[in-house]
Amino acid sequence: GQQVMQIPQYQHVQEGEDFTTYCNSSTTLSNIQWYKQRPGGHPVFLIQLVKSGEVKKQKRLTFQFGEAKKNSSLHITATQTTDVGTYFCGSGSRLTFGEGTQLTVNP
Amino acid sequence: GAGVSQSPRYKVAKRGQDVALRCDPISGHVSLFWYQQALGQGPEFLTYFQNEAQLDKSGLPSDRFFAERPEGSVSTLKIQRTQQEDSAVYLCASSQRWSHYGYTFGSGTRLTVV
Repeated sequence: GQQVMQIPQYQHVQEGEDFTTYCNSSTTLSNIQWYKQRPGGHPVFLIQLVKSGEVKKQKRLTFQFGEAKKNSSLHITATQTTDVGTYFCGSGSRLTFGEGTQLTVNP
Repeated sequence: GAGVSQSPRYKVAKRGQDVALRCDPISGHVSLFWYQQALGQGPEFLTYFQNEAQLDKSGLPSDRFFAERPEGSVSTLKIQRTQQEDSAVYLCASSQRWSHYGYTFGSGTRLTVV
């Protein structure tokens, strides 16, 4: 499968600060999917990226796929308490997930 | 239905007991996946079906784990002779097509083996 590593594992921010999580692979990825899992909940699909250098935005969220298709990032501008949760990247037909980045937001 | 439905929501099993976990995917979704998620970890792939065909079962941790989807709709994950290390949340996900769309996850079954 397509192995992915995520950093950081944890991130604590004050409400209003920005947040970024990174997804890295040693091999070229066919695609990258991002999911959000709230505490006690299940993963919810956010977006899929497939093209080299692709950038997609969803309101305060910006997703990027690297030119070499070996890394991706999720950036949240001006975090809100509703952004709390664990963000996972995943890739491949089996959807191999990274370890996730757990985001906490202090109001 | 509107989403992926899993049952039971919680299951406590005594060590050595057999359990069966059910997944009702979104109607019309061809692809169905099972994942195992330990506390604080990302979901780990177990197996994948396209319609009734099990195309990949490489993630099943042992021969005590068995999954089926006989009519290409509802799927059952069976664990025989449960052990404590089987304690986890078992997630089911479905998709319209292989990897072309995001996967819709169910709420999961939390299995605790005592």
